[in-house]
Amino acid sequence: EVQLVESGGGLVQPGRSLRVSCTGSGFDFENYGMHWVRRLPGKGLQWVSGISWDSGTVGYADFVGDRFSISRDNAKNSVFLQMDSLRPEDTAFYYCVKNSDSGWSGNPNWFDSWGQGTLVTVSS
Amino acid sequence: YVLTQPPSLSVAPGETAIIPCGGEDIGSRSVHWYQLKPGQAPVLVMYYDSDRPSGIPERFSGSNSADTATLTISRVEAGDEADYVCHVWDTGFAQHVFGSGTKVNVL
Repeated sequence: EVQLVESGGGLVQPGRSLRVSCTGSGFDFENYGMHWVRRLPGKGLQWVSGISWDSGTVGYADFVGDRFSISRDNAKNSVFLQMDSLRPEDTAFYYCVKNSDSGWSGNPNWFDSWGQGTLVTVSS
Repeated sequence: YVLTQPPSLSVAPGETAIIPCGGEDIGSRSVHWYQLKPGQAPVLVMYYDSDRPSGIPERFSGSNSADTATLTISRVEAGDEADYVCHVWDTGFAQHVFGSGTKVNVL
């Protein structure tokens, strides 16, 4: 069974940084692209970032700008999202998501397994 | 690329829920669907327009043509009450895009 467990969420002040992590199990982690998707309070889903199996390519949503950075460590079955210059509008549940194949982009790619999410609250 | 979903719909147990996802020429894209329940991890319920992942009941089906993709839930059960969100890849902007979601209320 695929399991994705996020950690690192919490309360952070505007302008500060936070790093969320995800550890995967139950599948060959090093063979799959991974994503971070967030759900804003009372709203729908937003794709945040994706990374290919070998970290060769990454992508970010427009609203990220240069504030966030995705990375992975296949030896530890882990993917990370470094978030800098956080804003109140970044407050959301952040989900770690497994891609359907080794990449993160293109048609078709779908998100076949999700973690429970970790809550990030940006507030003074 | 914008995906349009109605905010909510209500259906009686045993009836059929038809959940639309509108987008310009969405029929030329692959559409995927997720079920969101409070306190639970989202679940993939349909991929590649009409393929069901293992473990998803046959009551769930999908279609995609022209400007509308559709997720259909037949013989609706109380446990189907959830938000349903559609998803496509936006080639132009190189990003994944989600619809705003439809809350299915089981009466």
